[in-house]
Amino acid sequence: SQQGEEDPQALSIQEGENATMNCSYKTSINNLQWYRQNSGRGLVHLILIRSNEREKHSGRLRVTLDTSKKSSSLLITASRAADTASYFCATPQNQAGTALIFGKGTTLSVSS
Amino acid sequence: DVKVTQSSRYLVKRTGEKVFLECVQDMDHENMFWYRQDPGLGLRLIYFSYDVKMKEKGDIPEGYSVSREKKERFSLILESASTNQTSMYLCASSFHLNEKLFFGSGTQLSVL
Repeated sequence: SQQGEEDPQALSIQEGENATMNCSYKTSINNLQWYRQNSGRGLVHLILIRSNEREKHSGRLRVTLDTSKKSSSLLITASRAADTASYFCATPQNQAGTALIFGKGTTLSVSS
Repeated sequence: DVKVTQSSRYLVKRTGEKVFLECVQDMDHENMFWYRQDPGLGLRLIYFSYDVKMKEKGDIPEGYSVSREKKERFSLILESASTNQTSMYLCASSFHLNEKLFFGSGTQLSVL
């Protein structure tokens, strides 16, 4: 079962521009997480936002969460070529809080 | 730093072979997970374990089994490999069940 769905599937921007990715999910959650994956490698955790938080920052990353719309967004400001990667949102499988379920990801390409 | 180590980066096997994928973590995490990743399908959960000798099925457990005899090691077993099990396999661990995951680098398995 796919809990989260990212949008867009692919995004191409120039260095210095901002990149925004969205995630929608289906059931109530206690947290939502974003991960990054460089080509052919494992995923790296970026940020976790809890259901009682609306916005969270980490360096050039800004994550928002709207539980009424069951959606989240990840904003990367002043993108760099090194930000080129796939980005995934992840949510608990169910309200009992078991394993994380991942969306299909957004592939970001940043050209210099 | 937490380290999750997968025994092989690339693996080529024949159909019908029994295949073992090994994963070891060094942070005394209670929880360990196996996902597979396929183009267009994202990450899908195969099995997870929340304690030694404990396991739970994920979304796609058919054709797989797991073993967790020691806390640091979680093995994925393909009893009789088939071509549709050709995929990238990702192991992860976490301290809390639905919080930050630490991933290994992945094993690209080809079944011929």
